[in-house]
Amino acid sequence: NAGVTQTPKFQVLKTGQSMTLQCAQDMNHNSMYWYRQDPGMGLRLIYYSASEGTTDKGEVPNGYNVSRLNKREFSLRLESAAPSQTSVYFCASMTTVRQPQHFGDGTRLSIL
Amino acid sequence: GDSVTQMEGPVTLSEEAFLTINCTYTATGYPSLFWYVQYPGEGLQLLLKATKADDKGSNKGFEATYRKETTSFHLEKGSVQVSDSAVYFCALSKGTGGGNKLTFGTGTQLKVEL
Repeated sequence: NAGVTQTPKFQVLKTGQSMTLQCAQDMNHNSMYWYRQDPGMGLRLIYYSASEGTTDKGEVPNGYNVSRLNKREFSLRLESAAPSQTSVYFCASMTTVRQPQHFGDGTRLSIL
Repeated sequence: GDSVTQMEGPVTLSEEAFLTINCTYTATGYPSLFWYVQYPGEGLQLLLKATKADDKGSNKGFEATYRKETTSFHLEKGSVQVSDSAVYFCALSKGTGGGNKLTFGTGTQLKVEL
């Protein structure tokens, strides 16, 4: 069982470059989420998609865009990467209210 | 807004010691509460959950009781092992409109030594 799959696992970018982080889940979950994890700050929500066809901003959306491509896939795009976006990014999915979220293994992104 | 406060780490224990990681929350309504664990280089895994007051979540020897009167969800284990070394996150979800977002604490690193 794959669960939540994130690609790539590691990436190094130069300031100003763009890239898309991919996330796919095979659990038929309705909701999907993107978080970033920084030392001492826990996980902060960037964007989420409560259901296919909808997306909404989370706590720290600036500098990011998302696309809910279909029920399975939810991508995160950095249009012009900045060093402040160096972080570990996690994708998660959830089936319904009050149920736990399932997380991918993360993408470790460094921006020089 | 909603918030979760965890005790600062790192917490360093000897193997077979008793573990408590404190977690308190601020939220309106009746949130669900979760403990997640993150092993080095991995994503977060659900450890246990509780969905209403006085519920006790348990898994792999870990326990936490949802205490509404003290707005707490402290994580406990009677005898820790080296393999329990990880970062532990307390989180809440209110299950209301808005995508059922999780609010996380900052995490508590646990180191267990022989």
